[in-house]
Amino acid sequence: GAVVSQHPSWVICKSGTSVKIECRSLDFQATTMFWYRQFPKQSLMLMATSNEGSKATYEQGVEKDKFLINHASLTLSTLTVTSAHPEDSSFYICSARRGGPWETQYFGPGTRLLVL
Amino acid sequence: SQKIEQNSEALNIQEGKTATLTCNYTNYSPAYLQWYRQDPGRGPVFLLLIRENEKEKRKERLKVTFDTTLKQSLFHITASQPADSATYLCAPSQDGNKLVFGAGTILRVKS
Repeated sequence: GAVVSQHPSWVICKSGTSVKIECRSLDFQATTMFWYRQFPKQSLMLMATSNEGSKATYEQGVEKDKFLINHASLTLSTLTVTSAHPEDSSFYICSARRGGPWETQYFGPGTRLLVL
Repeated sequence: SQKIEQNSEALNIQEGKTATLTCNYTNYSPAYLQWYRQDPGRGPVFLLLIRENEKEKRKERLKVTFDTTLKQSLFHITASQPADSATYLCAPSQDGNKLVFGAGTILRVKS
């Protein structure tokens, strides 16, 4: 159990376009979902935390108008990178947690975004 | 500021030996600590969680220790196999809401 999927796994887009990434918890209801970004040879950096039905909490330095997060249901969260630029190219990973703060986070397989 | 340090150099060991990975933290009092495995181009996979009141946790060939006095966690893989080759991430959590990841240690197990 505790499977998290992401779609798409790979996306290439032109500069200035918007890209939506989906994160789904397949076999459990996720009270909280998280979005991370990882640059090559670096660790995961938390971008934002979202709870179903409420606004996401963004980490310092992350532009909320650029990275739109929607957590519409207990099994789905989406991250939209608006007006993407080459510097937004990165590996985006979501995670989901089914219980309270002390529960384990289960990660999706990641989405690689390349902005040309 | 909070700081998490993992072995920056890759760890190369021979198959069958025990691999020991280190995670040190400063300016931090985590209530628990998690270890994850990450393969290239993939998301992290949860391995073990240890709480501050636990000294040691085991799961099959894996063992984690947590020393809050030394501010250190050690992650051991016994009887290592080439399939264990990956990057291992430690992630202490202070309030349970946010995981802060170390940079990870690359483990290479050679047959």
